[in-house]
Order: sequence, then C-alpha cells, then structure tokens
Amino acid sequence: DGGITQSPKYLFRKEGQNVTLSCEQNLNHDAMYWYRQDPGQGLRLIYYSQIVNDFQKGDIAEGYSVSREKKESFPLTVTSAQKNPTAFYLCASSAWVLADTQYFGPGTRLTVL
Amino acid sequence: AQTVTQSQPEMSVQEAETVTLSCTYDTSENNYYLFWYKQPPSRQMILVIRQEAYKQQNATENRFSVNFQKAAKSFSLKISDSQLGDTAMYFCAFMKHAGSQGNLIFGKGTKLSVKP
Repeated sequence: DGGITQSPKYLFRKEGQNVTLSCEQNLNHDAMYWYRQDPGQGLRLIYYSQIVNDFQKGDIAEGYSVSREKKESFPLTVTSAQKNPTAFYLCASSAWVLADTQYFGPGTRLTVL
Repeated sequence: AQTVTQSQPEMSVQEAETVTLSCTYDTSENNYYLFWYKQPPSRQMILVIRQEAYKQQNATENRFSVNFQKAAKSFSLKISDSQLGDTAMYFCAFMKHAGSQGNLIFGKGTKLSVKP
C-alpha cells in the first residue's frame, strides 16, 4: 500500500530530553512537511523539504530540527529548546513543493512529562 | 499574510440531512488553492475536496460540494445525505499557487456531529 507512516503513535518525553519522530513515505513524493496541531487549533507548519538534503523553516521552527538524507524519510527532532512540545504532530507529503495537494500520515501524539 | 476563518466551532446534523460548513479567507493573491480536510477521531487528516481559484465551476466529490465565491472570499462545504461516518473535525485550508513554499494555511476547524 502506498502511503505515509509515522511512528510511534504515542511518545512520552521527560523535560530536557530530545526526541525524534519518524516519518516515511513510499509515494515517491519530492516534498515533505511537518505540522504541529494544538487543541482547538488548525495545523501550523514547522519545517518542509523540497528535495533530499534541503529543508526550509516554516512558521514555528524554533526548538525543532529536521534532516532529509533519503527521499522517503523526513524525521523531526523535538529539542529541549522547544518550550511547549506537548502536541499532535502530523507529517505530510506532496508530489513536489508547488503541487497543490498534500497527503497526511496518521500523526504522533507527543507528551512531555 | 493569508488568514482562514471558520466561524462555526461546532455543528450538528441529523443523519441523511444536508449541512453547510462556512469558511472565509483573506488574501491579496489571485491564484491559489482551497481545500477542505476531514479529521475523524483517529486524527488522520483526509482530503475531502479541493478548488482551484481560477476555476469558476464549483468542485464536487460525491456527497461533498463547495460554494466558492471568489469576490466574497468565501468557500463553504456542503455535505448531502449526511452519514454517521461524516462525524469529524473539518478544516478549511488555503495555499498560494506557483512560487509559494507549499504552505497550507488552516482555519481552526468545525466539529461536526452527525446524529442518528
């Protein structure tokens, strides 16, 4: 099945720890995105990548880092510098960055204890 | 900057009836895309329908249709013959056309409950 997978589904982190969220796609899409969703809010863009080894900051990149070493993978690291990391994180991809339609993975719920 | 406003935080509808969800947006762009996404309790975002701003014809996908009013910057979603599986959060989203970074701008969502 073609699609986007995210793991884990639930993640717990102690304050001061870095944690990495996984996102993999087998759609052969060039562009990938990370969004954050808070209760009662829409999604906000953290980072996006148009191509391997290239990525750009979105609206709320502070406290996050990404890498894009392979076309199919775009992991997100939530660092200890992120002041309020508890949220739902969604990964998405599109055929290319100017393509109109983004497809989403199932998401990861991160809770800081 | 573009903004998307969904003025109805919650709505409910009886099964088999029709419901319309509202969305307005603010932009100075002439070419752009508009979307409705559905987020059921599983929390996966699912594309419902998309509309290109340069097309005057309203998009339709089975029981889902939109009323796109470009001059009024309005983009409402109509769900006909509502089903229990339509219960979800619905998000309206905007994306600039060519030259943009592909950033989707989301509204805050409307929680739709379909009642048996």
